[in-house]
Amino acid sequence: KAGVTQTPRYLIKTRGQQVTLSCSPISGHRSVSWYQQTPGQGLQFLFEYFSETQRNKGNFPGRFSGRQFSNSRSEMNVSTLELGDSALYLCASSPNPQGSNEKLFFGSGTQLSVL
Amino acid sequence: GESVGLHLPTLSVQEGDNSIINCAYSNSASDYFIWYKQESGKGPQFIIDIRSNMDKRQGQRVTVLLNKTVKHLSLQIAATQPGDSAVYFCAENISREGLNTNAGKSTFGDGTTLTVKP
Repeated sequence: KAGVTQTPRYLIKTRGQQVTLSCSPISGHRSVSWYQQTPGQGLQFLFEYFSETQRNKGNFPGRFSGRQFSNSRSEMNVSTLELGDSALYLCASSPNPQGSNEKLFFGSGTQLSVL
Repeated sequence: GESVGLHLPTLSVQEGDNSIINCAYSNSASDYFIWYKQESGKGPQFIIDIRSNMDKRQGQRVTVLLNKTVKHLSLQIAATQPGDSAVYFCAENISREGLNTNAGKSTFGDGTTLTVKP
């Protein structure tokens, strides 16, 4: 079974631009969660989608948004990029929603650099 | 980030020795705990989990201990190998059935970098 796939692997953007990151979960997994990882803040929860609905959201500004498609694939978008958005963005999938005692299966992440 | 609790940022051990990585959590409502291992260039990978109705769980070369009285979690790695070198994260979860605002998402600790010396 293929693992969680995230594209692209690396991205370089400039301040003010927007970016879209993609995640394909493990086949059969209906929950997709997104995390931001930085050296100073660790892993911070962005949001979780299950059956195309956002189930939970972390403490990030509205510039961060996401969606999930009927095939469970998910995208996250960051608009009006700031230098502080430079981070590794991790996608994780699970068969059922978080809060159901589910472990997460992570992709290798998208490394975003904002110049 | 949100504090799962006290941790050692780095740990260095000799190959063959046992490793103990500690994590303290702050939310007494947490009822499910997971240890993840993150190698360079990869996302975190599941190692072992434990529910709050247990105090010990063993896997292959790894053991997780949970002490709910002092809200402490530890990961023990037996006969540590060079391939165990990585960053280790503990994560706490609250079942979504509760009314806690942190329910339904994994909250990660800051991680411990384990270095195994040959």
